[in-house]
Amino acid sequence: QITLKESGPTLVKPTQTLTLTCTFSGFSLTTSGVGVGWIRQTPGKALEWLALIYWDDDERYSPSLKSRLTITKDTSRNQVVLTMTNMDPVDTGTFYCAHTSITMVRGAPNNWFDPWGQGTLVTVSS
Amino acid sequence: DIQMTQSPSSLSASVGDRVTITCRASQSISKYLNWYQQKPGKAPELLIYAASNLQSGVPSRFSGSGSGTDFTLTISSLQPEDFATYYCQQCYTSYDFGGGTKVEIK
Repeated sequence: QITLKESGPTLVKPTQTLTLTCTFSGFSLTTSGVGVGWIRQTPGKALEWLALIYWDDDERYSPSLKSRLTITKDTSRNQVVLTMTNMDPVDTGTFYCAHTSITMVRGAPNNWFDPWGQGTLVTVSS
Repeated sequence: DIQMTQSPSSLSASVGDRVTITCRASQSISKYLNWYQQKPGKAPELLIYAASNLQSGVPSRFSGSGSGTDFTLTISSLQPEDFATYYCQQCYTSYDFGGGTKVEIK
């Protein structure tokens, strides 16, 4: 059974850097095709993909937030860490991490986020 | 970026109704389209992957179709537990989500 859990501060001040940790079990980030992604959801709004890291250290970022994000992995501790710089009140929201795995569907590589962690609410306020 | 547009943004329906939600991509994404369900206070859950493949454990009343730019999620007979918000997501170039469709009780 795959599980993921996000942890980190619940409150950060504007301009500070947010560091979130995703601790997972039930899979290994050394397995070919496997990755962990981060997605956020601002209050009353839709989902926004932020970043993704694969087993081979391939890092992917949302183009609109790329300059502010860094994703890393620690395979020995089964953790993935996301840092987001220069936090602003508009960044307030729930941050989720999720498992992904590249899977062949009709002969083409596909992936999706499943399962997700429970999410952690981060408020940006002075 | 590929823009994902869902319609309607919300709908009211009764138990037993057939419900259809549409997702349109700003450019062709082949069948690289996933659907998720999110209930209040909970994380999203995968329903459909690669446009039309039902995730294990998901009831067969859910189905997905489409390719290219136009996709559909259909619930054949709405059940009380299906009142939730539904999101599409492309995984062709990135992992952009649609704006969501909230399905409410009529």
